[in-house]
Amino acid sequence: EAGVAQSPRYKIIEKRQSVAFWCNPISGHATLYWYQQILGQGPKLLIQFQNNGVVDDSQLPKDRFSAERLKGVDSTLKIQPAKLEDSAVYLCASSLAPGGRGNTIYFGEGSWLTVV
Amino acid sequence: GQNIDQPTEMTATEGAIVQINCTYQTSGFNGLFWYQQHAGEAPTFLSYNVLDGLEEKGRFSSFLSRSKGYSYLLLKELQMKDSASYLCAVRSPQQNFVFGPGTRLSVLP
Repeated sequence: EAGVAQSPRYKIIEKRQSVAFWCNPISGHATLYWYQQILGQGPKLLIQFQNNGVVDDSQLPKDRFSAERLKGVDSTLKIQPAKLEDSAVYLCASSLAPGGRGNTIYFGEGSWLTVV
Repeated sequence: GQNIDQPTEMTATEGAIVQINCTYQTSGFNGLFWYQQHAGEAPTFLSYNVLDGLEEKGRFSSFLSRSKGYSYLLLKELQMKDSASYLCAVRSPQQNFVFGPGTRLSVLP
């Protein structure tokens, strides 16, 4: 079974530039998450989708971050304009719809962003 | 609000047993998860508790007390490859996973 796919793996941009990250979840997983993980910290949820609807985006800095999942499958996270403090790993994860025991989330390898 | 607390760092010796604690205060609870994260890699699932008690899975066990808002991950027969960060996460009824800060475990020879 293919895992969660993310691209690009690494990106270096200057502050005030824009960047976009792409994620393709595990086939059949209705729930998709974007997390931000700053070095030495735990992942912080940015946005959660259920199919193509947003369930939670309360911690997404909406003045500069946007995300979409138009067809309920793959998703794009965009940052514009980037700030130095956005340097982090952006982790995409997916899970089955609610129900059943377990239903853990599965992470992609992450997109490493450095803003200089 | 959501608050999950773990020790920042722990050190143990190869072959020993180590217990990593996690305390949580969250609005809504639908399971507690433990993940392992090696440096530069994505977190991978280790264990899951939704009811009180101990879940054993090979060298790894996890315990939950919902009334105390407390969990621990027990690692036995430590190996060098167990050096990693261990993340405690609480799942809400809306399938929202909130992660703790992580505990960085160093296993020494």
